[in-house]
Amino acid sequence: DAMVIQNPRYQVTQFGKPVTLSCSQTLNHNVMYWYQQKSSQAPKLLFHYYDKDFNNEADTPDNFQSRRPNTSFCFLDIRSPGLGDAAMYLCATSREGGYTGELFFGEGSRLTVL
Amino acid sequence: SQQGEEDPQALSIQEGENATMNCSYKTSINNLQWYRQNSGRGLVHLILIRSNEREKHSGRLRVTLDTSKKSSSLLITASRAADTASYFCATDLINDYKLSFGAGTTVTVRA
Repeated sequence: DAMVIQNPRYQVTQFGKPVTLSCSQTLNHNVMYWYQQKSSQAPKLLFHYYDKDFNNEADTPDNFQSRRPNTSFCFLDIRSPGLGDAAMYLCATSREGGYTGELFFGEGSRLTVL
Repeated sequence: SQQGEEDPQALSIQEGENATMNCSYKTSINNLQWYRQNSGRGLVHLILIRSNEREKHSGRLRVTLDTSKKSSSLLITASRAADTASYFCATDLINDYKLSFGAGTTVTVRA
């Protein structure tokens, strides 16, 4: 029973063509995260929502935007993908707000930029 | 920014052997977590150890935490081919409820 579902699993886009990745959760968790993971590297936090409050990491490029229309869904928009944006994008959720507990990850969306 | 660093970067062992990997971090934490990632998949939570705990077990996994040295270790006993994966430590900083991941240890278990 998948609890964090990411779509699509694989996305191919052209340089500069906008892309939207989606994440849905059935856990009713308050906190949702988007991580970027390049090959053989650590997952890098792009931003997170605590409920409706959006928190952007200082070094996340402006090219990356996010939307959370309700508790269950969160979207990652890449407005003008460059070759350097090719990566695995991981969505995760967490129940606790005061301090981070266990994160539940989706299977990821792998983005290829041609 | 990356808080944790794993050592070694890669580890190759025979099935049945134990695998040990280490994680060092820089600043005080609420807790430290270990995750596993199979190739091309998402991360799966393995174990969480709080800053006031020194050792924790879960099945074939044993995690230790030494806050004075700012380090943790993950031991996988009696390894199996299915344990082949990348293992990441992640730290939750005090006054900051985000998780910061290290670069991971890639473990290969040979049959």
